Amino acid sequence: DARVTQTPRHKVTEMGQEVTMRCQPILGHNTVFWYRQTMMQGLELLAYFRNRAPLDDSGMPKDRFSAEMPDATLATLKIQPSEPRDSAVYFCASGYSQPQHFGDGTRLSIL
Amino acid sequence: QKEVEQDPGPLSVPEGAIVSLNCTYSNSAFQYFMWYRQYSRKGPELLMYTYSSGNKEDGRFTAQVDKSSKYISLFIRDSQPSDSATYLCAPTSNFNKFYFGSGTKLNVKP
Repeated sequence: DARVTQTPRHKVTEMGQEVTMRCQPILGHNTVFWYRQTMMQGLELLAYFRNRAPLDDSGMPKDRFSAEMPDATLATLKIQPSEPRDSAVYFCASGYSQPQHFGDGTRLSIL
Repeated sequence: QKEVEQDPGPLSVPEGAIVSLNCTYSNSAFQYFMWYRQYSRKGPELLMYTYSSGNKEDGRFTAQVDKSSKYISLFIRDSQPSDSATYLCAPTSNFNKFYFGSGTKLNVKP
């Protein structure tokens, strides 16, 4: 069964540190999404890519967040510098003209 | 106003009950309607999706869409404790961007 793989599954770091989260989309899927989930806000779309090109990153704080797809098998989401309010679960999802499939997320805690 | 509204619950029912989960939406361009199930500490898992108005059944689950009233429903028959999870609706117009509801937390008591 094909799955979206996210690493790391958990990350605890101090405020001000750089955080990098990685996602391996399902092979053949050309659209990759990054979401953030918190109790207060629910699931928020941060950015998404099609064929490795960014289509929409309007949900992302531009000053500290960046998202890239170096190749078709890897998407990255970076936060620099990190802040306590960035603590959340970050999900990657992938799709191809169909409902997207999610990874199990990176649980991020910024102290 | 949010694109998609969903009652957060929690909804608590006894095992075997019929469960009704609902969402309303505002964008008439939505054509595809997804339901995801999310267990604690896991990613959302696609349950089923429908295109346009109508019903779709998959085992104990039935998805229903009424585009005229912009109302989406998921029915679970013979609910089981293993159905205890958060259910999220997510309509989209073209699979480019999905609009997630806040999720309804369901607890099925044995």
